Amino acid sequence: NAGVTQTPKFQVLKTGQSMTLQCAQDMNHNSMYWYRQDPGMGLRLIYYSASEGTTDKGEVPNGYNVSRLNKREFSLRLESAAPSQTSVYFCASNTGYGTDTQYFGPGTRLTVL
Amino acid sequence: GQQVMQIPQYQHVQEGEDFTTYCNSSTTLSNIQWYKQRPGGHPVFLIQLVKSGEVKKQKRLTFQFGEAKKNSSLHITATQTTDVGTYFCAPSGGSNYKLTFGKGTLLTVNP
Repeated sequence: NAGVTQTPKFQVLKTGQSMTLQCAQDMNHNSMYWYRQDPGMGLRLIYYSASEGTTDKGEVPNGYNVSRLNKREFSLRLESAAPSQTSVYFCASNTGYGTDTQYFGPGTRLTVL
Repeated sequence: GQQVMQIPQYQHVQEGEDFTTYCNSSTTLSNIQWYKQRPGGHPVFLIQLVKSGEVKKQKRLTFQFGEAKKNSSLHITATQTTDVGTYFCAPSGGSNYKLTFGKGTLLTVNP
């Protein structure tokens, strides 16, 4: 099992460009999450999907959109990238029940110039 | 989500010294999870605490959940260079299945 995979690993964008970060999990998990991590700020939840067909905003959703394509895949889209979106992006998944732990992907390191 | 404060933000120790990080909440927590993130890596689950006053050990790591379930700690005995990384706590459980991570404690170890 690959667990949670993310593509790309690295990306450099110019201000105003758009891109989609891809995430897939092979653990048959119901819930999936997108976080961003900035120095000194910990992990902040951008969007999450409790189950296939549902998505909800997290703590910092502005400037992002998501799509839960199917049970396996959850993508994050930046429509018009800004330098403030320079960050490391992590996707995570879990069963979605109560106290279940989260499994993280390796991350995407995004720089917006 | 439930908010927690982690202290200290940074800790530098000599190899062999002990290390403790604390996670504090103003409200009662249902459960709490701990994660470790190595430099350049992704967060990895370490443990979950559920019961009031619970103590769990993993080799040199000791995790505690306070009696009032408002605080938790992670103690590492005789640190090694492999312990380097950021340790995060995250309240879990209850009606909220989302995790709200603390800002983490970055541990560096001087060999």
